[in-house]
Amino acid sequence: QVQLQQSGPGLLQPSETLFLSCAVYGGSISGYYWTWFRQPPGKGPEWIGDINISGSTSRDPSLGSRLTISLDTSKNLFSLTLTSMTAADTAVYYCARQWAVTGSFDFWGQGTLVTVAP
Amino acid sequence: DIQLTQSPSFLSASVGDRITITCRASQDVFSHLAWYQQKPGKAPKLLIYTKSTLQSGVPSRFSGSGSGTEFTLTISSLQPDDFAVYYCQQLRSYPLSVTFGGGTKVEMK
Repeated sequence: QVQLQQSGPGLLQPSETLFLSCAVYGGSISGYYWTWFRQPPGKGPEWIGDINISGSTSRDPSLGSRLTISLDTSKNLFSLTLTSMTAADTAVYYCARQWAVTGSFDFWGQGTLVTVAP
Repeated sequence: DIQLTQSPSFLSASVGDRITITCRASQDVFSHLAWYQQKPGKAPKLLIYTKSTLQSGVPSRFSGSGSGTEFTLTISSLQPDDFAVYYCQQLRSYPLSVTFGGGTKVEMK
């Protein structure tokens, strides 16, 4: 059974950088898109970006150069870096596996509540 | 981006009820339409993909239908474990667009 295990801090100060990682257990990295979402309180998940085995990334244009997604195939792990955090970035962050053929997300991490506050 | 509008936003129902949730898209999403269930403090759980295909392990009381811009999720006989928030989701490959609907909270009457 595939499992995604997230790690990273839950509390940041404004202007700091968020770094989250997502380890993939029980399955191959190949053949999927590895995706980050965030979910503000009371709203649906918002797509942040993704990466595939080739290292090709896509990202939400609104995040621009603040966002970096990387993949370590030797560790079956992918990561998110988001710079210049503000209160507007406060949300639960999730990693997920996109099943490319169907366009759906079949396995998810447990979620990390990230709060940005002074 | 393609916008997804779910209705209703809230639904009050009893165990055994048949319920239907609608998801309308601002553009044709073809077959890349999925449904998820989310409980408090948990990640979304995939229920249905490509409009109507049941994810492995999901009870058969869940079903999906629709095409083009209008889709529905039906629970044929609501069970206690089904009280949750439900989201639809679309993915368009070119240009890339991934969006979720605003959610439907199913509450116990």
